[in-house]
Amino acid sequence: EAGVAQSPRYKIIEKRQSVAFWCNPISGHATLYWYQQILGQGPKLLIQFQNNGVVDDSQLPKDRFSAERLKGVDSTLKIQPAKLEDSAVYLCASSLDPGRAGSGLKLFFGSGTQLSVL
Amino acid sequence: GQQVMQIPQYQHVQEGEDFTTYCNSSTTLSNIQWYKQRPGGHPVFLIQLVKSGEVKKQKRLTFQFGEAKKNSSLHITATQTTDVGTYFCAGRRSNYQLIWGAGTKLIIKP
Repeated sequence: EAGVAQSPRYKIIEKRQSVAFWCNPISGHATLYWYQQILGQGPKLLIQFQNNGVVDDSQLPKDRFSAERLKGVDSTLKIQPAKLEDSAVYLCASSLDPGRAGSGLKLFFGSGTQLSVL
Repeated sequence: GQQVMQIPQYQHVQEGEDFTTYCNSSTTLSNIQWYKQRPGGHPVFLIQLVKSGEVKKQKRLTFQFGEAKKNSSLHITATQTTDVGTYFCAGRRSNYQLIWGAGTKLIIKP
């Protein structure tokens, strides 16, 4: 079974530039998550999609971050303009519909994109 | 707001010693999951606990979910170098929102 695919693996940009990350979840997974993980901290949810609808974007800095999941499959996360404090690893994860009981709720993570803002 | 506190932040052990990390939630959880993140890697699902008082074992790892479904622990017996990494708990609320702990980093002393 193919895992969650993310690209690019690394990205270095200067502050005020824009950047985009791409994620392709596991086939059949209805739920897609974007997390921000700052070094030494736990993952922080930025946005959660259920199919192509947004379930939770309460922690997304909407003045500079945007995300979309057209057709309910792959997704892109964009930052424009980037700030120094955006330096982090951006993790994409997917899971089955959380409305299902049991093990369907576990998250599968991609390898992440390490962003450095200079 | 809803929080899941995880302690300790770091634990240094000699190889062969035991390791324990604890998670406490301010409110009752539907279930709790545990993930392991190796250095430079991404979180990998270990286990999910659902029932009050549940105890599950995976070889040298023992997971517990408290009776009130507000706390959980992960205990590793006789640590090995392959156990190095950061262990995260993630508690799920009734609305399916997942709340992550800050993680406990397991460090094996040279």
